[in-house]
Amino acid sequence: GNSVTQMEGPVTLSEEAFLTINCTYTATGYPSLFWYVQYPGEGLQLLLKATKADDKGSNKGFEATYRKETTSFHLEKGSVQVSDSAVYFCALRTPGANNLFFGTGTRLTVIP
Amino acid sequence: EAGVAQSPRYKIIEKRQSVAFWCNPISGHATLYWYQQILGQGPKLLIQFQNNGVVDDSQLPKDRFSAERLKGVDSTLKIQPAKLEDSAVYLCASSLDGAGYTFGSGTRLTVV
Repeated sequence: GNSVTQMEGPVTLSEEAFLTINCTYTATGYPSLFWYVQYPGEGLQLLLKATKADDKGSNKGFEATYRKETTSFHLEKGSVQVSDSAVYFCALRTPGANNLFFGTGTRLTVIP
Repeated sequence: EAGVAQSPRYKIIEKRQSVAFWCNPISGHATLYWYQQILGQGPKLLIQFQNNGVVDDSQLPKDRFSAERLKGVDSTLKIQPAKLEDSAVYLCASSLDGAGYTFGSGTRLTVV
């Protein structure tokens, strides 16, 4: 079956620290991979995506590389800001399907 | 472009009562999804519509949940009767082509 396993939180970092949130997946075929972010009181927003192996998605200083050999899509940012405090969800979509399978989410808190 | 509108934002009901949620997708988006997000978990697909037809409702508890999308635009999701374990955030999303999602802010349901 399809599943996404995310690093458990919460994660608390100081401003300008390096961020890694681990994500691994199990899927049939070659899925597309996504990171979504949910800021307090808001809906889920697409942060970045990758559709094939070795693709790197990037946005707002965040990056994630689709690693087929390790079935991973870890989220990284070199220097986090207080405004990055949110819940981050890793997700996948299998070929031919439109629905998303989500991980459990990782809450990030960045302190000044 | 207006986003996906959902109402109400919050709802508190007693168990065994009924409740309905409303979603207005982005104009022109043919695909509409309802997801259930239980606290501490990632969103899980309940039902997917393509225009006004159901594409996937395999995870919808049909003994108590129902959904419709009249005229292929707005959608309502109903729970009758509600149980304590239905407490969750109900997210609506829409997509033009199945590739990009836009999520609404969700309805937070508390069943007491």
